Amino acid sequence: DAGVIQSPRHEVTEMGQEVTLRCKPISGHNSLFWYRQTMMRGLELLIYFNNNVPIDDSGMPEDRFSAKMPNASFSTLKIQPSEPRDSAVYFCASSLEGNTEAFFGQGTRLTVV
Amino acid sequence: AQSVSQHNHHVILSEAASLELGCNYSYGGTVNLFWYVQYPGQHLQLLLKYFSGDPLVKGIKGFEAEFIKSKFSFNLRKPSVQWSDTAEYFCAVNVDNQGGKLIFGQGTELSVKP
Repeated sequence: DAGVIQSPRHEVTEMGQEVTLRCKPISGHNSLFWYRQTMMRGLELLIYFNNNVPIDDSGMPEDRFSAKMPNASFSTLKIQPSEPRDSAVYFCASSLEGNTEAFFGQGTRLTVV
Repeated sequence: AQSVSQHNHHVILSEAASLELGCNYSYGGTVNLFWYVQYPGQHLQLLLKYFSGDPLVKGIKGFEAEFIKSKFSFNLRKPSVQWSDTAEYFCAVNVDNQGGKLIFGQGTELSVKP
């Protein structure tokens, strides 16, 4: 299995632009998680899905952030408009639903200038 | 609210030294506990996990951790570190029986001198 695949690996964008991060979970996994990693706040859960349905989005920082999972093999995290304070590494992880370990993707390093 | 605290932000050791990284969590109920490692520029990888049973858990690469419920602790240990263990280590808990819904500690950066 190729693992959790995220794209792009690096993204540099200007403030105010829309940014879309993509994630392909491990085949057969039905839970998907988006995390953000910053120096100041460490690793934070933004949102997670079970069976393509958002379950908990309490970690999404602002309305500028939105996430979708149109099918079992694809999810997006969108920031519109982006701001410099959104600069971070965004990780996607997937797992089987329930009490199992999560597998993380390589992350997308986002820089907003 | 649940939280995870890692005692050390940066640990520097020489090769062959023993390692112990502290982790404490705050939650009164049943928890699942994890240690993840992040090598420079890499993604998070699971080192070991505790769900139930033997509180002494063995993981990959010679790491182990002990769950002490009375102390709300899950410390990571390795008897002899190698230069290749240089990485950042994260303790995490979940309380919702949803394995990927994790609360992470701040991380401990380990530097091993050859």
